[in-house]
Amino acid sequence: NAGVMQNPRHLVRRRGQEARLRCSPMKGHSHVYWYRQLPEEGLKFMVYLQKENIIDESGMPKERFSAEFPKEGPSILRIQQVVRGDSAAYFCASSPAPDGVETQYFGPGTRLLVL
Amino acid sequence: DAKTTQPTSMDCAEGRAANLPCNHSTISGNEYVYWYRQIHSQGPQYIIHGLKNNETNEMASLIITEDRKSSTLILPHATLRDTAVYYCIVRVGGSGNTPLVFGKGTRLSVIA
Repeated sequence: NAGVMQNPRHLVRRRGQEARLRCSPMKGHSHVYWYRQLPEEGLKFMVYLQKENIIDESGMPKERFSAEFPKEGPSILRIQQVVRGDSAAYFCASSPAPDGVETQYFGPGTRLLVL
Repeated sequence: DAKTTQPTSMDCAEGRAANLPCNHSTISGNEYVYWYRQIHSQGPQYIIHGLKNNETNEMASLIITEDRKSSTLILPHATLRDTAVYYCIVRVGGSGNTPLVFGKGTRLSVIA
């Protein structure tokens, strides 16, 4: 059973460009979370999605950031007009549909570097 | 903000048991204790979780005090590959998925 997959693993963008980060959840998981880890800091929750729905986006910056989890295909975290402060590791986690205490399993992350 | 308090760092000799403490004095009755670890530059790895009973799996044991205000993660025979930051997290269970709130964790260094 493949784990959570993220691509690309490393992404370099210049200021003002767009960054698209992809996350494929574990097989059978319909819930996806995105977390961000700034250099030398802890992980911070960004957004929680189910298929075609955003459940909780309380951790998302108000501008330039968006996320989706379409019916088909991976979840996408999109950052428009990137700035240097967006340089960070972005981790995706997935869990099955809620039916008790669901464990989240993390992918290897995408390391975004904004030049 | 994280609802847990952990020591900033700990050392452990290779082959010995590593005991990582966590205080969660404001834990609610429906909150579980989760442990994750993050080895350098990798994604967080789930270790174990529990509600009030002690738990054991192939990776570790989790000991939760009777009043549930603190817990200890035990790695029975630490190896160099266990060097990582260990996060203790409390999270509501049984009411659907909720985000994990990570604190600063404990940086465990296993020494040869």
